[in-house]
Amino acid sequence: GNSVTQMEGPVTLSEEAFLTINCTYTATGYPSLFWYVQYPGEGLQLLLKATKADDKGSNKGFEATYRKETTSFHLEKGSVQVSDSAVYFCALTTNTGTASKLTFGTGTRLQVTL
Amino acid sequence: GAVVSQHPSWVICKSGTSVKIECRSLDFQATTMFWYRQFPKQSLMLMATSNEGSKATYEQGVEKDKFLINHASLTLSTLTVTSAHPEDSSFYICSARASSGTETQYFGPGTRLLVL
Repeated sequence: GNSVTQMEGPVTLSEEAFLTINCTYTATGYPSLFWYVQYPGEGLQLLLKATKADDKGSNKGFEATYRKETTSFHLEKGSVQVSDSAVYFCALTTNTGTASKLTFGTGTRLQVTL
Repeated sequence: GAVVSQHPSWVICKSGTSVKIECRSLDFQATTMFWYRQFPKQSLMLMATSNEGSKATYEQGVEKDKFLINHASLTLSTLTVTSAHPEDSSFYICSARASSGTETQYFGPGTRLLVL
């Protein structure tokens, strides 16, 4: 079956620090990979995605590269801000007809301080 | 674009009553909608998948008679928690997918349910 493993949090960083949140996966077939962000009290928002090997997804200064050889999709940002404090979920989906289900990791809480 | 709304955003009810949660896609037609449950500090657990005009497909361990899902139109799906009990208290989140072949799911803001 499909599974996603994320590094455990919380991750606490000072503003302008470099961020890496690790994500590895196991999947049958060729998954598409996603990062979702959940701000306090809100639902999930799609942050970025990549649909095939070596693709790089990027948005709002965040980026992640689909690495098939290491089955990884690590999230990075060069300089975090306090407003980036949230929970980040790595997820994947494999096309199984019309029922493309998302499999989520457990989430990593990021806390950015001044 | 791709906005999904949920109503209500939070609800408190007495044990034994039923609660209906609505999920709407505001600016696109959603062929498929998903319902998730999220416990505090945990990931989302898929409860069921619904396609417009057909019966929902429930994940293993989810009681279909307790969590009734209706997807009557391409912009609306409802989740009814019947005879709610305190253990049903949770954060319920829906998502919508625009059409077959489109993988991206757009999530609603969630509904927090507290059963007393």
